[in-house]
Amino acid sequence: GAGVSQSPSNKVTEKGKDVELRCDPISGHTALYWYRQRLGQGLEFLIYFQGNSAPDKSGLPSDRFSAERTGESVSTLTIQRTQQEDSAVYLCASSLLGVDYGYTFGSGTRLTVV
Amino acid sequence: AQSVTQLDSQVPVFEEAPVELRCNYSSSVSVYLFWYVQYPNQGLQLLLKYLSGSTLVKGINGFEAEFNKSQTSFHLRKPSVHISDTAEYFCAVSYSGAGSYQLTFGKGTKLSVIP
Repeated sequence: GAGVSQSPSNKVTEKGKDVELRCDPISGHTALYWYRQRLGQGLEFLIYFQGNSAPDKSGLPSDRFSAERTGESVSTLTIQRTQQEDSAVYLCASSLLGVDYGYTFGSGTRLTVV
Repeated sequence: AQSVTQLDSQVPVFEEAPVELRCNYSSSVSVYLFWYVQYPNQGLQLLLKYLSGSTLVKGINGFEAEFNKSQTSFHLRKPSVHISDTAEYFCAVSYSGAGSYQLTFGKGTKLSVIP
């Protein structure tokens, strides 16, 4: 597609429920990233996928967070047993090969845990 | 670990006035530097980037930034702002070299242009 697409744009969930966030990157972009943006904070790196290489999961805050990507296409970020501190905007970005090309960001999913 | 400091969380400025948004990073090695802009309810958009070469980088919408290695700074400037420049601006840095895919972002500066 023309840009990075994320769905849903907004999600309200009850504490303890699982949520799944979706990211559809730009066609041909081999690199895909997930970031979290808490209110008043900078972006926090979560996970990075590059082609068929093993993902860098070093930014995932706990084992309740997981992400998958099939080849160079769609990625899903799953948060299990959501907590209130998980409330944030989750941003997905993709890039052609590497960071020196700059990221293209999606509009994000605003997650609110009540 | 890399860190990025944006000294001003909010910057109000009158329309057509100049503006400078400050960014300092911590590093003693080569870096790539970026400025992103986030308009309300939108994703981040790349304004400009420094990879190598000329220290003065020009970006979209009339913005420019200057890489100063000795001061580890990458301040963003515009000589005359418009109402449409009202947005949040993020400075970001990554290492240049192998594994340089991760960006470290500052906390952002909210630019408010006053008519």
